[in-house]
Amino acid sequence: DAKTTQPNSMESNEEEPVHLPCNHSTISGTDYIHWYRQLPSQGPEYVIHGLTSNVNNRMASLAIAEDRKSSTLILHRATLRDAAVYYCILSEGQGFSFIFGKGTRLLVKP
Amino acid sequence: GAVVSQHPSRVICKSGTSVKIECRSLDFQATTMFWYRQFPKQSLMLMATSNEGSKATYEQGVEKDKFLINHASLTLSTLTVTSAHPEDSSFYICSASRGPYGYTFGSGTRLTVV
Repeated sequence: DAKTTQPNSMESNEEEPVHLPCNHSTISGTDYIHWYRQLPSQGPEYVIHGLTSNVNNRMASLAIAEDRKSSTLILHRATLRDAAVYYCILSEGQGFSFIFGKGTRLLVKP
Repeated sequence: GAVVSQHPSRVICKSGTSVKIECRSLDFQATTMFWYRQFPKQSLMLMATSNEGSKATYEQGVEKDKFLINHASLTLSTLTVTSAHPEDSSFYICSASRGPYGYTFGSGTRLTVV
């Protein structure tokens, strides 16, 4: 079973920030937190990952709670192209498979 | 970098025939690749872990004789759906490690068995 819990769906307006939450209360000390997104009829696409500290890249920011039992993916200005299913995944590192949960379907309204 | 190419992107086959799906890492070597299956409006389900030069490890409930996986080189893994039936129709996705902390996924193969 997936070790993460996410809301089934969220809505956002275009050009507004979006905060996608993820709960992972059973996270272990060696688990990395990964975020991927999947557009219709495509394979998942890497968004961001982190271990303990908050992370920023050109796509998004990842805010990790101090106890690491939850995290939030932040899209600073949502666009219509950001409409996708976002998956929060825990993994111990290279060689360990990803177990996907149901993810959050993000709807971006113009 | 870290591109995974999956081919074909879609295939239609007759019931009872076999279909081969290729997954290639284009600019890196992948010791381990993973195969997933995704039914409409559902999440990805891990089918098997493919290790270069050794037998694949299948998840519980996945028939290894039906879904043949070959990982003969560090850049190529293949999934063959043997004696396909309509219930095998699905979206098949491969992935490969892109470094210590994550994976690159192929663009997927839509299989329709008629």
